[in-house]
Amino acid sequence: AQSVAQPEDQVNVAEGNPLTVKCTYSVSGNPYLFWYVQYPNRGLQFLLKYITGDNLVKGSYGFEAEFNKSQTSFHLKKPSALVSDSALYFCAVRDGSSGGYNKLIFGAGTRLAVHP
Amino acid sequence: DAGVTQSPTHLIKTRGQHVTLRCSPISGHKSVSWYQQVLGQGPQFIFQYYEKEERGRGNFPDRFSARQFPNYSSELNVNALLLGDSALYLCASSPARYGEQYFGPGTRLTVT
Repeated sequence: AQSVAQPEDQVNVAEGNPLTVKCTYSVSGNPYLFWYVQYPNRGLQFLLKYITGDNLVKGSYGFEAEFNKSQTSFHLKKPSALVSDSALYFCAVRDGSSGGYNKLIFGAGTRLAVHP
Repeated sequence: DAGVTQSPTHLIKTRGQHVTLRCSPISGHKSVSWYQQVLGQGPQFIFQYYEKEERGRGNFPDRFSARQFPNYSSELNVNALLLGDSALYLCASSPARYGEQYFGPGTRLTVT
């Protein structure tokens, strides 16, 4: 069965330091991977996606993610964190053989707290 | 350009009642999906509609139904509400059958 795991409920980082939010996945076919961010009382905002190609994917707001097939991971990274990056981050996967529909499977989310 | 819009923003219902949630996709998007996000969890897929036909259904009871209109807007209906239906209901649109989905702000449903 397809699944996504975000092993950390919360990540704390100081402003200006690099940040990493971890994600591992399990799918039966080729993985289509996504990161979304959710601010309080808001919907999800798309950050980036991996479909195929380079393992390092660049997205919005200076975020990037590294796809690692052997470790089945898709960690979100940013070289220098901002206080405004504090939010809830979701990793999601769509199985390439999902049977004809665009179903995203989300992890439980990781709360990122960036301290001044 | 306007993003995905949803109405109402908040809703309070009593157990056993019925509710209708509405979603307008981004202009030009033909696919609408619905997700349920319970507090403290990631969103769970309920339905996808593409070109006015149901294309996928998640593991939700038959009390949940939806439809898509000719202008690609969509309604989610939930009958016989239970306390456990309290959640943020998210609508997402995409330009085609697959691809990244763009989410609306959600409708917060509280069942008492």
